[in-house]
Amino acid sequence: QSVLTQPSSASGTPGQRVIISCSGRSSNIGSHTVNWYQYLPGTAPKLIIYSNSHRPSGVPDRFSGSKSGTSASLAISGLQSEDEADYSCAAWDDSLNAPVFGGGTKLTVL
Amino acid sequence: QVQLQESGPGLVKPSETLSLTCTFSGGSISLYYWTWIRQPPGKGLEWIGHISYTGNTNYNPRLKSRVTISIDTSMNQFSLHLSSVTAADTAVYYCARGSYDCSGGVCLNWYDPWGQGSLVTVSS
Repeated sequence: QSVLTQPSSASGTPGQRVIISCSGRSSNIGSHTVNWYQYLPGTAPKLIIYSNSHRPSGVPDRFSGSKSGTSASLAISGLQSEDEADYSCAAWDDSLNAPVFGGGTKLTVL
Repeated sequence: QVQLQESGPGLVKPSETLSLTCTFSGGSISLYYWTWIRQPPGKGLEWIGHISYTGNTNYNPRLKSRVTISIDTSMNQFSLHLSSVTAADTAVYYCARGSYDCSGGVCLNWYDPWGQGSLVTVSS
């Protein structure tokens, strides 16, 4: 099982706002920054949030990230069909001296 | 625009060595950490390890005894070798360019871009 905990699935209708949570420990999210990745089978995963809340160039501002204590969240507003994908959180972990990932959340746009 | 592409056998026999190469183009090799990450079927992503352009490596402690990552700066390639594989090593293997800075106590660490991934199946 993954070190960071995410819900296995989430869903929303077009235009809605969806939030995906990511829970960790003091050794990872509690101490370091969180990143979020979007991916589809057969395609390259894409960085959509880095350092808790920063968006790389080209990522729509509909995507936002936040962190509080040992938890983080990814919010997607104005949901679009193209947002249907898997999303994973990640952070460095002091106990493992390695980055750790969440198990991934499959987002369905109804 | 930086692009990465994995290449290597899609089928490896148990107890043998899995070998993959990642070729990157469109950017500088320095200041980054060239990384391997995998995703077993139905499971989350797992970091395997990274190498700097100077050849410094860092491996996942769980895999450290079996992993070697090397880099050929003249060819813009880096490689993964995972020995003594079992069915548990069946996964999609991704290469990625990593940003990594823990000098300030808070680790800034992310991967961008990634390759499309290479499915490696361990089976006889």
